[in-house]
Formats: sequence, structure tokens, C-alpha cells
Amino acid sequence: GQSLEQPSEVTAVEGAIVQINCTYQTSGFYGLSWYQQHDGGAPTFLSYNALDGLEETGRFSSFLSRSDSYGYLLLQELQMKDSASYFCGTAGGYQKVTFGTGTKLQVIP
Amino acid sequence: DTEVTQTPKHLVMGMTNKKSLKCEQHMGHRAMYWYKQKAKKPPELMFVYSYEKLSINESVPSRFSPECPNSSLLNLHLHALQPEDSALYLCASSPLGRDLQRTNYGYTFGSGTRLTVV
Repeated sequence: GQSLEQPSEVTAVEGAIVQINCTYQTSGFYGLSWYQQHDGGAPTFLSYNALDGLEETGRFSSFLSRSDSYGYLLLQELQMKDSASYFCGTAGGYQKVTFGTGTKLQVIP
Repeated sequence: DTEVTQTPKHLVMGMTNKKSLKCEQHMGHRAMYWYKQKAKKPPELMFVYSYEKLSINESVPSRFSPECPNSSLLNLHLHALQPEDSALYLCASSPLGRDLQRTNYGYTFGSGTRLTVV
């Protein structure tokens, strides 16, 4: 089976940096992905780490350490519109993604 | 076209009804998925189709019946549902790559069908 754990809620100040962690236990692991979902909206793909290390996409960066079964999403220069739920997910066979428990990020002024 | 379109957006059905959810994409993606999402929970995988063939069924009850008529369309047929089946049903698609290490595993999700069973 697969399980991915995330903090349930994180609050951060506009303009700051926030890190959302994801620890996983899984077999058949190909990589770690991250999705953003606003209330009432569809999940939107943010990033994918196939290899260990840091991937940067604009204000968002994602990190993976396979040896530690751990990854994180780093959001810089936080904006109010970043308030959303964030899910990590493992990619398995047929690109089957199992999602983590989710982190609700609240950005405050 | 970089969208996944789902219809209807909202559906209310009785426990004896038969209804279908529809999903369409024109990105040339050869993998399509149905996920179910309850409030404040992550999406849970239901079915995976690759090259129009059902490749994964996550032990979903038979009252949910998927169908993939062609590479652009995915349906979910609903029959004799229970109130606990009320949820947001999300369709997604993705490319299928030969090199699993470098393939972009990003799904494109539709905006979902919010289903209420009464």
C-alpha cells in the first residue's frame, strides 16, 4: 500500500516563505508530485520530482529525498491567492497517483 | 486545447436513478482517470484507463461502471447509488511516457461533477 502524511494546516504571512512537508511509505515509487486545489476547484499540477534534489518553477520549488522518504513544497513570496489546499502524490504504475492527506494553507496579511 | 471538460457540473439523483458522468479531453493524453473526493479529503483513485483499456479498478463497487468509448472520452455510469456516494467526482488525464523517470506525471483535472444522492 501507499501512505503519504502532510501537516493538516499551515498559516503564513503574505510575502513570507512557507514549506509544506510530505513523508511517504510506498512501494513501486517513481516520483513525488504536488498539486494545488482552491476551495470548490479542481486540483492543479504544480511540480514533479523524479530524482532527488530540488526542482524550481517560479515561486514554487519542490524537493525529494528518496533515502528519507520525504519531500517538501516551498512557496516563496506568498500571495493571498496561494491560500489553498496542497497535496503531495506518488506516481506509480500507469501513472497512478495516490494523494497525501493534504495541507490547507492560509495566507494572512 | 489544454482542458478536461466534465459534465454535468452538479447532479442530484435518487437512489433508484441511473445517470452518467461525462469527461472529454483533446490533448492526446492516452491515460484517463476517475477520482472521488469527499469534503476536506484528498482525491481517491477509482479507475484508470490507458489506451482505452481499463487498467486499474480500485475495488470500486459495481454500482459505478466506467466506460472509455474512445481516446478522448470517459464516462462513469451510476446506478443504485447510496447517500454516502455523494462527493465530487473528478476526471483527469495525463500523457503516458515510455521513460518513467523523465515523464511529466502531471495530471490535468476537470473541474468535477458535484454529486448528491438523495
